[in-house]
Amino acid sequence: EAQVTQNPRYLITVTGKKLTVTCSQNMNHEYMSWYRQDPGLGLRQIYYSMNVEVTDKGDVPEGYKVSRKEKRNFPLILESPSPNQTSLYFCASSPWTGGNTIYFGEGSWLTVV
Amino acid sequence: QKEVEQNSGPLSVPEGAIASLNCTYSDRGSQSFFWYRQYSGKSPELIMSIYSNGDKEDGRFTAQLNKASQYVSLLIRDSQPSDSATYLCAVASSGGSYIPTFGRGTSLIVHP
Repeated sequence: EAQVTQNPRYLITVTGKKLTVTCSQNMNHEYMSWYRQDPGLGLRQIYYSMNVEVTDKGDVPEGYKVSRKEKRNFPLILESPSPNQTSLYFCASSPWTGGNTIYFGEGSWLTVV
Repeated sequence: QKEVEQNSGPLSVPEGAIASLNCTYSDRGSQSFFWYRQYSGKSPELIMSIYSNGDKEDGRFTAQLNKASQYVSLLIRDSQPSDSATYLCAVASSGGSYIPTFGRGTSLIVHP
């Protein structure tokens, strides 16, 4: 089954404790991206990657890191989480041959206390 | 900055009515247009894509695109309570490497 899998789905953590949200897709897609979604603010892009070893900042990259060492994986790293990073996070991928569908993971609810 | 604007709603319609959702965008070079549906707490899912001016129909859904007016809409005929969700408009252009810009979404409520 074609899917984007992200883990953990739910996490409560404390301020300053490094965490990684993993994302994996099994569709051999070139493009992968991370979004956060907050009430009233819609989907905001954090980082994206056009291919292996190619990453770029989205609209709200501060406080986040990413890496793309393999085509299928695109982890999101919060080096020192803060309460303002409490949000619903979505990983997404796309074949990206020009305006193609984006496939979203199920989302990760992150709470930083 | 590329902008995609949607009325946040909520848009409330009775069951069986036509729901009309609207989206405007700022980038005249936009080439690809998408409508995603998102149920509360779930991930967005694509319901329609449109690339040329005019109407595109898929079941109860019709997407309408007017590039001259920089306007894209989604019509839902015979609305059902199960259509109650947030609808996200997304727009992409070659100038933006086809990375879509999402609107903030319109909340639709279909009441019995």
